[in-house]
Amino acid sequence: GAVVSQHPSWVICKSGTSVKIECRSLDFQATTMFWYRQFPKQSLMLMATSNEGSKATYEQGVEKDKFLINHASLTLSTLTVTSAHPEDSSFYICSATASNPRSNTEAFFGQGTRLTVV
Amino acid sequence: QQPVQSPQAVILREGEDAVINCSSSKALYSVHWYRQKHGEAPVFLMILLKGGEQKGHDKISASFNEKKQQSSLYLTASQLSYSGTYFCGTPGGATNKLIFGTGTLLAVQP
Repeated sequence: GAVVSQHPSWVICKSGTSVKIECRSLDFQATTMFWYRQFPKQSLMLMATSNEGSKATYEQGVEKDKFLINHASLTLSTLTVTSAHPEDSSFYICSATASNPRSNTEAFFGQGTRLTVV
Repeated sequence: QQPVQSPQAVILREGEDAVINCSSSKALYSVHWYRQKHGEAPVFLMILLKGGEQKGHDKISASFNEKKQQSSLYLTASQLSYSGTYFCGTPGGATNKLIFGTGTLLAVQP
């Protein structure tokens, strides 16, 4: 199957600093990538849809100025958590599909990034 | 709207069977099933595309009732490796985004 690489796997940062997470599709081009956040013992909640060459589409309740998304190429999307606070500590996961999920294509996930803000 | 899964959690002994249900308040065009181990990314299990479709591999199978907007995942003769949290996922509108269900924690004990 297709491979999505996410980096870093974990990061610890100080409150008030910014953290960048990268998501790369290694063997396919992804015009669209997705960013999810997962708190302990909860489901994956979609934060935003990253669109190559255009602005990201954010889900209701997600602050676009806090979670900056850049999708500059067909294989790379980045999520920057700006001015991070302890409540932003979570597991962040990206995914990409080669085509529409209404076809027989699964979503390919990165390994996830465990963010801890102290 | 997030699909609702039931049960929320289930504990099995090795060799026992389990059924996990996924219900949506909106029309379902397809249903994805994933399993997630603690601290890891979800792993794809299968996709069901058509109402009435049933699919499976190994001892894990699933069905899709489009009219009832439901899907069920069946785990037969469970193994220790089946432990994890299971999520159904449904396409969220016109984009490629996937909306995950509330999740079902499955623990298989020896």
